[in-house]
Amino acid sequence: EAEVAQSPRYKITEKSQAVAFWCDPISGHATLYWYRQILGQGPELLVQFQDESVVDDSQLPKDRFSAERLKGVDSTLKIQPAELGDSAMYLCASSFLDTEAFFGQGTRLTVV
Amino acid sequence: DAKTTQPNSMESNEEEPVHLPCNHSTISGTDYIHWYRQLPSQGPEYVIHGLTSNVNNRMASLAIAEDRKSSTLILHRATLRDAAVYYCILSLLNTDKLIFGTGTRLQVFP
Repeated sequence: EAEVAQSPRYKITEKSQAVAFWCDPISGHATLYWYRQILGQGPELLVQFQDESVVDDSQLPKDRFSAERLKGVDSTLKIQPAELGDSAMYLCASSFLDTEAFFGQGTRLTVV
Repeated sequence: DAKTTQPNSMESNEEEPVHLPCNHSTISGTDYIHWYRQLPSQGPEYVIHGLTSNVNNRMASLAIAEDRKSSTLILHRATLRDAAVYYCILSLLNTDKLIFGTGTRLQVFP
């Protein structure tokens, strides 16, 4: 069964360092989402792509976060510099046209 | 974005039916109702969605009130594996944008 792949699964970084997460959506899925989930809360949408274009990044803290999907396939989310409050689970999801979203296992980020 | 209200937590015994409620009094005519669940240490997974009519699939049933201001996710026979956080979400299109709330944490006891 096709899955959304994310790496790494876990990441520990020091504050002020740069960190990057990678997501490979299910093949053929044009829509890709990045979510952030703080412990005990529901996922919060950071950015949504349609192919290589950003559809919604209204909740993305653009002073330190960036996201790209250059060829409309895989995507990278970067944080620079990382802050203690960025510790969270970062989830990637993809969907095909008007179907359900499929989520990856996420990357657990700890900033120390 | 239209809001949903769910109880923080619910409990059930194994093999009993579970009815998870969701209120969405400000739903618009074009909002779909989605349910996702999140098992511990995993990403959310799709459960079911609907617009106006009740829906059934292999995982669950979705009962939508006639005025669409509330809905209920029905697990016909809860198993231990159903212990998760269940999210009720409204979206303008089928999956245009999924805005998660805090969900209902379901505990299932043997």
